[in-house]
Amino acid sequence: DVVLTQTPVSLSVTLGDQASISCRSSQSLEYSDGYTYLEWYLQKPGQSPQLLIYGVSNRFSGVPDRFIGSGSGTDFTLKISRVEPEDLGVYYCFQATHDPHTFGSGTKLEIK
Amino acid sequence: QVQLQQSGAELVKPGSSVKLSCKASGYTFTDYAMKWVKQRTGQGLEWIGVIDPEIDATAYNEKFKGKATLTADTSSNTAYMELSRLTSEDSAVYYCTREGGDYWGQGVMVTVSS
Repeated sequence: DVVLTQTPVSLSVTLGDQASISCRSSQSLEYSDGYTYLEWYLQKPGQSPQLLIYGVSNRFSGVPDRFIGSGSGTDFTLKISRVEPEDLGVYYCFQATHDPHTFGSGTKLEIK
Repeated sequence: QVQLQQSGAELVKPGSSVKLSCKASGYTFTDYAMKWVKQRTGQGLEWIGVIDPEIDATAYNEKFKGKATLTADTSSNTAYMELSRLTSEDSAVYYCTREGGDYWGQGVMVTVSS
């Protein structure tokens, strides 16, 4: 199975500062069709996960442009600029390139 | 608007089975596959499998083969997941989510206890 390693495990950020989360894959996530099926989700406390980013860098509808996804191959990053209170929760990367699809272990974002 | 409405919480006995439902609305049910995800309390997310309602095709995480069975009823726009031979390891919240992860159900808590 593809292992997605997220770092850091937790992150404490001052409001208005930037946060950065890394997701490293044990295999390249570029599919044979050239697309990279790497997504980012945020799970707020007590809620279902919500899609932030798909295809490495495409923001889902309604997601603020403070959320920026980047990367290729095996290394991916989610940057959150100007962190706001509603950004707290656990962030997961997810790959759907290889079966079985897998999630990273999560990064908990806390507000200082 | 797209909605995925899951069935209510379940308290079930070890060794038994449970069938969870996920009713879709606001889009054409057969246009999207439906995935199921497991989350144990305080833990991360696990992909269980996916069903394509249009062609009734399924794919499973090897870990859940024999544990989970995915079906879909296109007449009622409802996806189902049956979990069998339940143990305490199956106690978790289970989510349905539309292919692409853009919409999720509210999750259903399954508690396995005697």
